[in-house]
Amino acid sequence: KNEVEQSPQNLTAQEGEFITINCSYSVGISALHWLQQHPGGGIVSLFMLSSGKKKHGRLIATINIQEKHSSLHITASHPRDSAVYICAVTSGTYKYIFGTGTRLKVLA
Amino acid sequence: GAGVSQSPRYKVTKRGQDVALRCDPISGHVSLYWYRQALGQGPEFLTYFNYEAQQDKSGLPNDRFSAERPEGSISTLTIQRTEQRDSAMYRCASSLVGGNTEAFFGQGTRLTVV
Repeated sequence: KNEVEQSPQNLTAQEGEFITINCSYSVGISALHWLQQHPGGGIVSLFMLSSGKKKHGRLIATINIQEKHSSLHITASHPRDSAVYICAVTSGTYKYIFGTGTRLKVLA
Repeated sequence: GAGVSQSPRYKVTKRGQDVALRCDPISGHVSLYWYRQALGQGPEFLTYFNYEAQQDKSGLPNDRFSAERPEGSISTLTIQRTEQRDSAMYRCASSLVGGNTEAFFGQGTRLTVV
């Protein structure tokens, strides 16, 4: 079993829908990261959080440390949000442990 | 440069050849990581440098893989006697200090061994 599990693996939504991607982890962490991998291959960091909730534009990330669970929400989704969203945790000082990613496709 | 730069972006090599993949991190970033990503999978850790010191190489699959960062800046990942199973996207990332700071990823090198 992976130390970081994401669901769903694939997600297709209509433009405007509210989207939720889930991440569960089984190790002690110092931080959790949400990353976006573009179709061209580049990876961009969206959020780094260790507690509570963060918001950036239409993106919201939450984490529940007790339940070892995080969610990434996208409000008013748009086709340009189509990408692979990767959850990663840092456990200790440096090592990132990645989930397998959620492939999101938003249809116009 | 402004971001993490990797070269080459694409590399096709014949089985048995050696390849060297280069990573130029963001200036001033102490931590440098190499990852390998198979199609449809998340990145898998290969190795980590703190300045020039290779502090963790536990993810390197075998002794054909090696990495160095001699001056604490540019890093090279070398794969000797390449095999087809080595084909993957190789990613480099850097961060200011360790995993509790945001990591910035390069575009990756797509390696294909034929």
